[in-house]
Amino acid sequence: AQSVAQPEDQVNVAEGNPLTVKCTYSVSGNPYLFWYVQYPNRGLQFLLKYITGDNLVKGSYGFEAEFNKSQTSFHLKKPSALVSDSALYFCAVYFSGGYNKLIFGAGTRLAVHP
Amino acid sequence: KAGVTQTPRYLIKTRGQQVTLSCSPISGHRSVSWYQQTPGQGLQFLFEYFSETQRNKGNFPGRFSGRQFSNSRSEMNVSTLELGDSALYLCASSLVRNEQFFGPGTRLTVL
Repeated sequence: AQSVAQPEDQVNVAEGNPLTVKCTYSVSGNPYLFWYVQYPNRGLQFLLKYITGDNLVKGSYGFEAEFNKSQTSFHLKKPSALVSDSALYFCAVYFSGGYNKLIFGAGTRLAVHP
Repeated sequence: KAGVTQTPRYLIKTRGQQVTLSCSPISGHRSVSWYQQTPGQGLQFLFEYFSETQRNKGNFPGRFSGRQFSNSRSEMNVSTLELGDSALYLCASSLVRNEQFFGPGTRLTVL
């Protein structure tokens, strides 16, 4: 069965420091992986995706993610955190059963402190 | 290009009532998916519609239903509301099968 795990409920980081939000996955076949961000009382905003190609994927707002097939991980990173990055982050894997179904992790709350 | 829109943004209902939520996808997108978000269960897939046909359904009771119109707009209906149906309902549209764009959601509160 396909699944996504986000092992941290919350990540705290000081503004200006690098941040990492962790994600591991379990899929059959080649994974299609995504990161979304959710601000309070808002829907999900797409950050980036990995389909194929370079293991380092660059996305919106300075975020990037590294796909690691041997560790089945897709960690989200940013070199320098901003207070405005504080939000709820979701990792997701695309269900490969032929339909448009995303399977989401539980989410990680990122808190960036001034 | 306008994004995904959902109406209404907020709803308050009482147990036993029914509710209809609406989603207008991005122009040209033919696939619409629905998700339920709750603090306890997280984000869970409800169903997906493509060209007016339900292509896949998540593990929800039959009280949850949906449909899609010829202009790709979609509605979801929840009958006989229960307290546990209180959630943020998110709609997502897509053009290709791997990238979904989400609307702002409808927050349903069941009293």
